[in-house]
Amino acid sequence: EAQVTQNPRYLITVTGKKLTVTCSQNMNHEYMSWYRQDPGLGLRQIYYSMNVEVTDKGDVPEGYKVSRKEKRNFPLILESPSPNQTSLYFCASSWGYLRETQYFGPGTRLLVL
Amino acid sequence: GESVGLHLPTLSVQEGDNSIINCAYSNSASDYFIWYKQESGKGPQFIIDIRSNMDKRQGQRVTVLLNKTVKHLSLQIAATQPGDSAVYFCAEMGGGGGADGLTFGKGTHLIIQP
Repeated sequence: EAQVTQNPRYLITVTGKKLTVTCSQNMNHEYMSWYRQDPGLGLRQIYYSMNVEVTDKGDVPEGYKVSRKEKRNFPLILESPSPNQTSLYFCASSWGYLRETQYFGPGTRLLVL
Repeated sequence: GESVGLHLPTLSVQEGDNSIINCAYSNSASDYFIWYKQESGKGPQFIIDIRSNMDKRQGQRVTVLLNKTVKHLSLQIAATQPGDSAVYFCAEMGGGGGADGLTFGKGTHLIIQP
């Protein structure tokens, strides 16, 4: 089954404790992206990647890191999480630059205390 | 449950009725538009798309209308069913918004009344 998977689905952590949210897709998509979704603000892009070893900042990259060492994986790293990073996070992937028909993962709900 | 529905416009329709969800965009250079559906606890799901050289596109029970003159996009859902309850939002591309050109709207919460 074609899908985007994220882990963990739910995470509670404390300020400053490094964490990684994994994202994996099995569709051989070149383009992958991370978004956060907050009430009243909609989806905002954090980082995106056009292909392996190619990553770019989105609209809200501060406090986040990503890597794209393999085509299928695009982990999101919070080196020192803060409470304002409490949010719902989505990973997405699509075939190419035009990014039509992005496939989204199920989401990761993060609470930073 | 998910909190993404808070602070969103809400549209409540009776089961079996047709629903129309609207989206306004600001950049006349946008040339590609997508509607997504997001059910509670799930990620957004592609519904239908339309390019700026079209005015209308139909899918299964859904129709998207594009009015470039007033920069308005609408999603029509025919004969709504309980499974249509979700947050619906539009996305536009090509208008220069967003870091990679894709800008999402905030969404409308569609509630289907039995």
